[in-house]
Amino acid sequence: NAGVTQTPKFQVLKTGQSMTLQCAQDMNHEYMSWYRQDPGMGLRLIHYSVGAGITDQGEVPNGYNVSRSTTEDFPLRLLSAAPSQTSVYFCASSYRLRDTQYFGPGTRLTVL
Amino acid sequence: EDKVVQSPLSLVVHEGDTVTLNCSYEVTNFRSLLWYKQEKKAPTFLFMLTSSGIEKKSGRLSSILDKKELFSILNITATQTGDSAIYLCAVVGNNDMRFGAGTRLTVKP
Repeated sequence: NAGVTQTPKFQVLKTGQSMTLQCAQDMNHEYMSWYRQDPGMGLRLIHYSVGAGITDQGEVPNGYNVSRSTTEDFPLRLLSAAPSQTSVYFCASSYRLRDTQYFGPGTRLTVL
Repeated sequence: EDKVVQSPLSLVVHEGDTVTLNCSYEVTNFRSLLWYKQEKKAPTFLFMLTSSGIEKKSGRLSSILDKKELFSILNITATQTGDSAIYLCAVVGNNDMRFGAGTRLTVKP
């Protein structure tokens, strides 16, 4: 099993550009989520999904969109990148919200 | 507002020392508390706690939850340089999992 995969591993964007961070899991998990990690701030929840077709906002949703058309995939879209979105992004999944979450390897994003 | 506070934010010890990491929380409709270890990449799971007073143990690591006082501790005995990492506490509430800022542990030889 691949577990949770994320692409790309690294990305550099210019201010105003848009892009999509990909996340996929092959464990048939219902719950998927996106976090950003900044120094000294731990992991902050951006968006999450409790199943295909259902998404909701987390702690820091502004500037990001998500969709969940299948159980496996949960892409994160940056609509118009800003330097404040420079961060490391992690995707995670679990059977249910309260279960152990499995994390992808992360995407390091730099916005110039 | 839900929050998770970890202390200390950083800690430097020598091999063989015992450390205690703290996690306090205020979360609506508490469901579980989880500890993760993060080295260079993604966090890896250590423990999940749902009941007060029941110690979870794995080798030199152990953890316990106090749901009355709203905190958990993570103990590491006989620390080794391989224990150097960021330790993250996360609490599951109504709809999401909220993380603390983490404790950066450095173990010197």
